[in-house]
Amino acid sequence: EVQLVESGGGLVQPGRSLRLSCTASGFTFGDYDMSWVRQAPGKGLEWVGFIRSKAYGGTTEYAASVRGRFTISRDDSKTIAYLQMNSLKTEDTAVYFCARYSSTSWGQGTLVTVSS
Amino acid sequence: QLVLTQSPSASASLGASVKLTCTLSSGHSTYAIAWLQQQPEKGPRYLMRLNSDGSHIKGDDIPDRFSGSSSGAERYLTISSLQSEDEADYYCQTWGTGIVVFGGGTKLTVL
Repeated sequence: EVQLVESGGGLVQPGRSLRLSCTASGFTFGDYDMSWVRQAPGKGLEWVGFIRSKAYGGTTEYAASVRGRFTISRDDSKTIAYLQMNSLKTEDTAVYFCARYSSTSWGQGTLVTVSS
Repeated sequence: QLVLTQSPSASASLGASVKLTCTLSSGHSTYAIAWLQQQPEKGPRYLMRLNSDGSHIKGDDIPDRFSGSSSGAERYLTISSLQSEDEADYYCQTWGTGIVVFGGGTKLTVL
């Protein structure tokens, strides 16, 4: 069974950093591109970015709203995808989901609250 | 610009059918999409990938009540024999070059 479990969320002050993790199991993690998606309270889904598999260079793409502040990486040996979030803003407050790029599998999300 | 447009809300009676629409922006009518369901307080659930020719690949354990179809730039999700647990938000999603796009979602109310 495919499982994606996000962790690392919490309360953080504006301007600070936070790193989220997405631990995968049940599939060959290294073969898949992985996405991060967020959902602000009461709002719709917003794509954050994705990382390609090593077979496609392990390169990354980001939404304009987070480019230059957020970084996605992966450790295929640990089957974990990371989302490093720097210079956080109040508008980054959301539940953050990881998903396979194809959207066939999703985690349950982790809440990030940016507030002073 | 790649954009997906959905109506904000829809409603239908228990046991009836409903057809939700997702419209691709001009110049993108051949794109495939994914339909996702999000029940209250839960993460999204993959329903199906829907191609421009109407062929679709459903996720594991998705009931036959859920089906997809296409016409031009429109992508449809039809839910038949509506059940109370179908009350949820439904999102369409597509993939561009180096980008992923979501529609705004449709909130389905089962009366």
